[in-house]
Amino acid sequence: AQSVTQLDSQVPVFEEAPVELRCNYSSSVSVYLFWYVQYPNQGLQLLLKYLSGSTLVKGINGFEAEFNKSQTSFHLRKPSVHISDTAEYFCAVSAFMYSGGGADGLTFGKGTHLIIQP
Amino acid sequence: EAGVAQSPRYKIIEKRQSVAFWCNPISGHATLYWYQQILGQGPKLLIQFQNNGVVDDSQLPKDRFSAERLKGVDSTLKIQPAKLEDSAVYLCASSLRGRGGYGYTFGSGTRLTVV
Repeated sequence: AQSVTQLDSQVPVFEEAPVELRCNYSSSVSVYLFWYVQYPNQGLQLLLKYLSGSTLVKGINGFEAEFNKSQTSFHLRKPSVHISDTAEYFCAVSAFMYSGGGADGLTFGKGTHLIIQP
Repeated sequence: EAGVAQSPRYKIIEKRQSVAFWCNPISGHATLYWYQQILGQGPKLLIQFQNNGVVDDSQLPKDRFSAERLKGVDSTLKIQPAKLEDSAVYLCASSLRGRGGYGYTFGSGTRLTVV
């Protein structure tokens, strides 16, 4: 089984400032890692994902995340935020499957509400 | 390509009534998932199908929730009888061949309010 901890329920940041949203996970098996964004009254949109290879992953809207296996972390960063980045951000993991067909549903954290202040 | 379709978009029912949600995944996606997202929380997996077989339903409250995926395409999720705590957004997602690395595509969800 997997678990995801997003330590910050809310992060206020001034516009054009950098931001980091923290995510730690726990798993007894290898995992894939994801960050999703959810705007008010909308569905989940994939920001980025880590499958393998380079530990620095770049996503949409200028976001990037770094996988740290020793610290079991996958923190999300953006060097300069815009008012339009105000949303709920979810970190999620799924079990790595060597072959298709296993139980690989996503386990989500509780989310971090990013608030951009003008 | 067309996305994951869900209906209805909104539903309001009284407690103890029954309700059903429908999902049509992306064409060719063998794996389908139902999630429950309570306000202020992250989505929680309820059930995963591979074609028309259940892979994981460990978090499905089977005394009141049921789901099926006939013919390995569309799926329905039913709640009977509904409780106040079932108020949530129910999300459907699909993926290719059950491998998360190929990506999960989410529908817009059905917002259920139980009064």
